[in-house]
Amino acid sequence: EPEVTQTPSHQVTQMGQEVILRCVPISNHLYFYWYRQILGQKVEFLVSFYNNEISEKSEIFDDQFSVERPDGSNFTLKIRSTKLEDSAMYFCASSEIGQGLYTFGSGTRLTVV
Amino acid sequence: AQKVTQAQTEISVVEKEDVTLDCVYETRDTTYYLFWYKQPPSGELVFLIRRNSFDEQNEISGRYSWNFQKSTSSFNFTITASQVVDSAVYFCALRGYQKVTFGIGTKLQVIP
Repeated sequence: EPEVTQTPSHQVTQMGQEVILRCVPISNHLYFYWYRQILGQKVEFLVSFYNNEISEKSEIFDDQFSVERPDGSNFTLKIRSTKLEDSAMYFCASSEIGQGLYTFGSGTRLTVV
Repeated sequence: AQKVTQAQTEISVVEKEDVTLDCVYETRDTTYYLFWYKQPPSGELVFLIRRNSFDEQNEISGRYSWNFQKSTSSFNFTITASQVVDSAVYFCALRGYQKVTFGIGTKLQVIP
């Protein structure tokens, strides 16, 4: 069964530092996503990415966030200057074209101290 | 706009009891997918099932079963003969064209 791989599984960073979360989507998928889950809350959509550009983003995805597909296999989420409230579980997902199979990674737990 | 409502925030059952987790959704899309995910304390999302809007056939997988009723916009999940290992947070989710919208989750505690 193909998987979406996320690294690292847990990252601790100091407030104000930049952090990059990495994801390797399923190889034939064309749509990529990031979601966030603050501890004890629901999973929330951050951004979708298709054809090397953002196709949709939520109000959570402000100027401190950016996404990139730097090398055709990785899909990254960068948080420029982390805040305490950025502490959350971040899930990457990818999907086939249209409404095909949709797969989540196992998540990166980000702790901002 | 999409919305998923899981009215039960926490449920406790005694082991071997059956339990049903409710999910009601709203969408304007004519084609959509519904999902259930399990989130154990370790935090990952474990995929349980996906149904598309054209397939209302109920499904059974071992102790798990799902009841999809388009007429009431519901996609309920039943665990038969619950076990302690079923203790987790369960999320119902809806996908229209692209993004997935999650419910708030139901925390299930199975007491031995």
